[in-house]
Amino acid sequence: KNEVEQSPQNLTAQEGEFITINCSYSVGISALHWLQQHPGGGIVSLFMLSSGKKKHGRLIATINIQEKHSSLHITASHPRDSAVYICAVAGGGADGLTFGKGTHLIIQP
Amino acid sequence: KAGVTQTPRYLIKTRGQQVTLSCSPISGHRSVSWYQQTPGQGLQFLFEYFSETQRNKGNFPGRFSGRQFSNSRSEMNVSTLELGDSALYLCASSFRQTGSLEKLFFGSGTQLSVL
Repeated sequence: KNEVEQSPQNLTAQEGEFITINCSYSVGISALHWLQQHPGGGIVSLFMLSSGKKKHGRLIATINIQEKHSSLHITASHPRDSAVYICAVAGGGADGLTFGKGTHLIIQP
Repeated sequence: KAGVTQTPRYLIKTRGQQVTLSCSPISGHRSVSWYQQTPGQGLQFLFEYFSETQRNKGNFPGRFSGRQFSNSRSEMNVSTLELGDSALYLCASSFRQTGSLEKLFFGSGTQLSVL
């Protein structure tokens, strides 16, 4: 069974700060997803990656397969980035996705 | 292009009853997966369907079941409801068979309360 750990659990930062959220997993995977969930429940897929680095606007996601670790970075953070960010992994012996507990991010103006 | 549609948005049931939730995927998407989200356990994978066949199943009791129709719409059913089944149930769709290996598009979820 794959264990997915996210850190930090909670993060409060000021607008404009550079944000890093980390995700570690215990068993080799096929792919890793970063998801964003706003209050009310809706989930948006931010990235799916299996190697290297992806960038979309102010968001950057990286993965190190050998170290079993991924990071999500937000540059020039904004209050609208306030949400729960969830890491999920595919493969690693499990059917479907295995999720981390999420990182609750608050960006203050 | 319409997104993933889940109905109903909210549902209140009592213990012992059964419930059916519906998910309509994005047009052209053939894979539908279901997830349960609770404050204690977070998000957990329930099952995944592709072309009317269950491809993967998570670690949930047999009271949880699902199906997919020829138009890719999916339903999940929970029988003999327990208090612990209170949760947000989310579905997601994707184009190909192995949904977890490509970008997923989520619905807004059905909030189920069991009294």
